[in-house]
Amino acid sequence: GAVVSQHPSWVICKSGTSVKIECRSLDFQATTMFWYRQFPKQSLMLMATSNEGSKATYEQGVEKDKFLINHASLTLSTLTVTSAHPEDSSFYICSARGDRGGQETQYFGPGTRLLVL
Amino acid sequence: GNSVTQMEGPVTLSEEAFLTINCTYTATGYPSLFWYVQYPGEGLQLLLKATKADDKGSNKGFEATYRKETTSFHLEKGSVQVSDSAVYFCALTTNTGTASKLTFGTGTRLQVTL
Repeated sequence: GAVVSQHPSWVICKSGTSVKIECRSLDFQATTMFWYRQFPKQSLMLMATSNEGSKATYEQGVEKDKFLINHASLTLSTLTVTSAHPEDSSFYICSARGDRGGQETQYFGPGTRLLVL
Repeated sequence: GNSVTQMEGPVTLSEEAFLTINCTYTATGYPSLFWYVQYPGEGLQLLLKATKADDKGSNKGFEATYRKETTSFHLEKGSVQVSDSAVYFCALTTNTGTASKLTFGTGTRLQVTL
């Protein structure tokens, strides 16, 4: 079964609105969570890395005021796309890393497809 | 910087055919190499990995050998099944520990038909 869940799986919104995407590790504590975005026919691009209780570290070129990341607990991270515009339309994927069954491993969520009209 | 190049898909094969998906990389230092698979509607799953030159990763009949001399990590399977239809991502990391970051290829869609 799924180890990391994302909600919603897809969302359509109007330009200028904010969208929140949740990422949950279901049966382990994620000390680190990663957020990626993927454009059609392109690779997954890392947006930011977050550790529980601390501020996220953003990759170069990613606007931290645009993509707000909150890693409030060891099982939940949220990505908020603020004032979304059509160019933000993409596939957003989270990944959670932590100790599961005595081994540190990284698991990926199924992704959230965002369409901004 | 690090980068991963994969063959463009989609790759369409008949069941029981031999599969090769090419992957080459550029990296600073000595990377660990991975293949991830994404089945429809699911998250990426680690398929296999290799952490040093000449290592062979294997899982579910898939294999890939870390070739430092050709900077390659090609994925192979001797006889594919319909259930292998998915998107396959080659990836690498040169970091270790919780700070490690994966660099992905663009993914190759495999479609296996009866």
